[in-house]
Amino acid sequence: GEDVEQSLFLSVREGDSSVINCTYTDSSSTYLYWYKQEPGAGLQLLTYIFSNMDMKQDQRLTVLLNKKDKHLSLRIADTQTGDSAIYFCAGAGNMLTFGGGTRLMVKP
Amino acid sequence: NAGVTQTPKFQVLKTGQSMTLQCAQDMNHNSMYWYRQDPGMGLRLIYYSASEGTTDKGEVPNGYNVSRLNKREFSLRLESAAPSQTSVYFCASSSVAGQGAIMNTEAFFGQGTRLTVV
Repeated sequence: GEDVEQSLFLSVREGDSSVINCTYTDSSSTYLYWYKQEPGAGLQLLTYIFSNMDMKQDQRLTVLLNKKDKHLSLRIADTQTGDSAIYFCAGAGNMLTFGGGTRLMVKP
Repeated sequence: NAGVTQTPKFQVLKTGQSMTLQCAQDMNHNSMYWYRQDPGMGLRLIYYSASEGTTDKGEVPNGYNVSRLNKREFSLRLESAAPSQTSVYFCASSSVAGQGAIMNTEAFFGQGTRLTVV
């Protein structure tokens, strides 16, 4: 099965950029996803990237995919206090596999 | 659309009691999943059902059973609850990404069931 790894914690100041990193093992993952979980809530899809793409931009979000290194990153520009949450990356081969989540704390 | 609906939202059980967590989706998805979320552990897959009539073990299946009752419903049963099963449980559904298929496998999640076993 797939292993998906993320760092546990990231702290940034409001207005700075945040970069959350993820590594995965299954090169057959067709799609790679970023989900956001706010306190007390379920997961919500933020963005996804198809495996034949290197980059995808969606407003303040930029996803970078390095297939050779099996590395995925999520950059949040102009980070706001409302971005404080846990962010999960996930790979979809035969089934969805999630990383352990990165807790983003945004300081005013 | 309701999406993925889980019941109950909260439950307290005594050690040794049994209960069933219910999940239903109205998106005609083939695949359904049960995860548990523990502090610092992220999401861990308990069981999944790739299609109606099939179920498979995930990463942490011990102490649980599942039933894929029909395409819409996927239930999780704890036969004899233990304190180690105190967790938040999430049900999810997705369309299937088969080999060579180009399908969006975005998963939709329920709001979670917070279970405490005392």
